[in-house]
Amino acid sequence: AQTVTQSQPEMSVQEAETVTLSCTYDTSESDYYLFWYKQPPSRQMILVIRQEAYKQQNATENRFSVNFQKAAKSFSLKISDSQLGDAAMYFCACRNSGNTPLVFGKGTRLSVIA
Amino acid sequence: DTEVTQTPKHLVMGMTNKKSLKCEQHMGHRAMYWYKQKAKKPPELMFVYSYEKLSINESVPSRFSPECPNSSLLNLHLHALQPEDSALYLCASSLRTFAYEQYFGPGTRLTVT
Repeated sequence: AQTVTQSQPEMSVQEAETVTLSCTYDTSESDYYLFWYKQPPSRQMILVIRQEAYKQQNATENRFSVNFQKAAKSFSLKISDSQLGDAAMYFCACRNSGNTPLVFGKGTRLSVIA
Repeated sequence: DTEVTQTPKHLVMGMTNKKSLKCEQHMGHRAMYWYKQKAKKPPELMFVYSYEKLSINESVPSRFSPECPNSSLLNLHLHALQPEDSALYLCASSLRTFAYEQYFGPGTRLTVT
């Protein structure tokens, strides 16, 4: 079974600055998918970005990008030009290929300071 | 339409009550999920429905009873709950079971008194 570790329970960033959230994972599979979900105070889990393990290129979605280091089993999320609306709990998640559930990390609470 | 809706948003119930949570999606997804989330914790998978059939039950107590009347609708029937069942209940859906991104609803905040 996979495990996902987020070692930063809380982070803060100044508005317009850049912040990086860390995530490491462990899986015995060679084919898997990685995700970052955002959960603002409104509670809804929103998919921020996904990365397929077989792709070497790091995924990017507007101000959000990942640094995927497959050998190190690391999957960090970089948020550029942070905005107040980025304040939320961020969960890293991993899923092996096939009919397997998502495994979530414990989350990192991000605060954005105006 | 990439939306999963859940009703009610908030629910307070006594330990002897019977209530139901409702989840709906119109994205043509054939997999639907119930998660339980305690404060400051990640979601925990409870049930998975695939093509309207229960495919995964993560050893959830029988006081939680899921139902999938059709491909768009997922219910969670609650009976004789305990205070420790108070949590945020999230519904999600995906095109196929686990094989694609899951889209989450806004959740129902349940308080058991």
